[in-house]
Amino acid sequence: EVQLVESGGGLVQPGGSLRLSCAASGFRFSNYWMSWVRQAPGKGLEWVAYINQDGSEKYYVGSVKGRFTISRDNAKNALFLQMNSLRAEDTAVYYCARYGSYLDAIDFWGQGTLVTVSS
Amino acid sequence: DIQMTQSPSSLSASVGNTVTITCRASQSISRYLNWYQQKPGKDPKLLIYAASSLQRGVPSRFRGSGSGTDFTLTISSLQPEDFATYYCQQSSSPPHTFGGGTKVEIK
Repeated sequence: EVQLVESGGGLVQPGGSLRLSCAASGFRFSNYWMSWVRQAPGKGLEWVAYINQDGSEKYYVGSVKGRFTISRDNAKNALFLQMNSLRAEDTAVYYCARYGSYLDAIDFWGQGTLVTVSS
Repeated sequence: DIQMTQSPSSLSASVGNTVTITCRASQSISRYLNWYQQKPGKDPKLLIYAASSLQRGVPSRFRGSGSGTDFTLTISSLQPEDFATYYCQQSSSPPHTFGGGTKVEIK
C-alpha cells in the first residue's frame, strides 16, 4: 500500500525556517517524480515544487523561488522541503505528493502537515 | 506561468443531475489537464488525467474532455458522495498550476 507521511510542520515566526519531511513507503520511491502542494486555510490548491527521480531536476512556483528548496534521499525513501524566510502567506497545509508513472498527474497524496507563520 | 481559470466557482445541484465544470488555460496545454476531487479535511483524489483518461477505480459517471485551452469535467447522475470541490491542473509545463476550484453543493 502506498503511503506518504509528512512531518515537520508547526508554528514559526515570520522570517524563520522550517524543514518538512515526507516518508514514503509501499512503492519504489526512486522511480517517481515527487512534489509538494500547499493549501492555505479555506483556499484552493497551490503547486509548490517538484523534483525528478534522481534529484537533478527541480522546479518551483515563483512565489517560493530562492526561499524554498526541495530535495530527496532515495536511500531513505524520503522527500524534503526546506523553507526559509517564511512569510505569513506561506501559512498552509503542505501535502507531499507522488506523480504517477506515465501519468503527468499526482496519483497519491499524503495527509498533509500544517505550517503556520505568525508572530 | 500558465493560468488556469475554472468556472463556476460553485454550483448547487440535486442527486441525479448532470453537472459540467469548465477549465480554461491561458495558453495551449495540449491534453495535459488533470481533474481532482477534494472533500473537506481530506487530501485530493485524482479523477481524470490527460484530459479524458479515467483513473483506476473512479466511476464512469465522471468524464473529461477538451484539448488546447478549453476543458470540461462532466459528472452524470450526481451521487451523494460527489458533493465536493473539484480542481483542474495543467501539467504541460512547470509550475503545474491548479484552477481555483469548483464547489459542488447539494440543492
